[in-house]
Amino acid sequence: NAGVTQTPKFQVLKTGQSMTLQCAQDMNHEYMSWYRQDPGMGLRLIHYSVGAGITDQGEVPNGYNVSRSTTEDFPLRLLSAAPSQTSVYFCASKRRDSDYGYTFGSGTRLTVV
Amino acid sequence: GNSVTQMEGPVTLSEEAFLTINCTYTATGYPSLFWYVQYPGEGLQLLLKATKADDKGSNKGFEATYRKETTSFHLEKGSVQVSDSAVYFCALTNSGGSNYKLTFGKGTLLTVNP
Repeated sequence: NAGVTQTPKFQVLKTGQSMTLQCAQDMNHEYMSWYRQDPGMGLRLIHYSVGAGITDQGEVPNGYNVSRSTTEDFPLRLLSAAPSQTSVYFCASKRRDSDYGYTFGSGTRLTVV
Repeated sequence: GNSVTQMEGPVTLSEEAFLTINCTYTATGYPSLFWYVQYPGEGLQLLLKATKADDKGSNKGFEATYRKETTSFHLEKGSVQVSDSAVYFCALTNSGGSNYKLTFGKGTLLTVNP
């Protein structure tokens, strides 16, 4: 049981480039979320999904797009990378009816130069 | 909206010392409360949880009690080890059908010295 898998683990982008951070879970969880972690800021919600075909914005959605075509996958797209998007990104998932909170991936460390 | 305020660190302790990390929250209704731990270079792991008032969550020697009257969920451990060095996050979700948003505190870095 792999849990939540994020790829890549590290990435360096130039300003203006686009890329997709991949997230996949094999636990048949309905809910999936993307967070960014910055020093002194904790984790902030970027986008979330409550099921295939349903997504919504979190606290800090600007500059990011998501889609959820399957239950398993929830990719995060950076449209035109900016240095302010340098961060560690975490994907997480949970069962809708579970009290056990979210299961997190191991993160993607992104640097935009 | 929901918010979580936790003790700012960093916290530095000697091995076998007593640990308290304070956490208070603001939320409507009866949220579920969590402590997550992040070891260096890793993702977050659920440490413990409590889903209703007066519940005590516990795991690996850590405990926290859901206090609705003081809107608090303080993390405690009687005797810390070097291996407990990590960042600790307090978090909450609403209960029931709107339990998809997890709101975090800013995290507390704990360093335990031998």
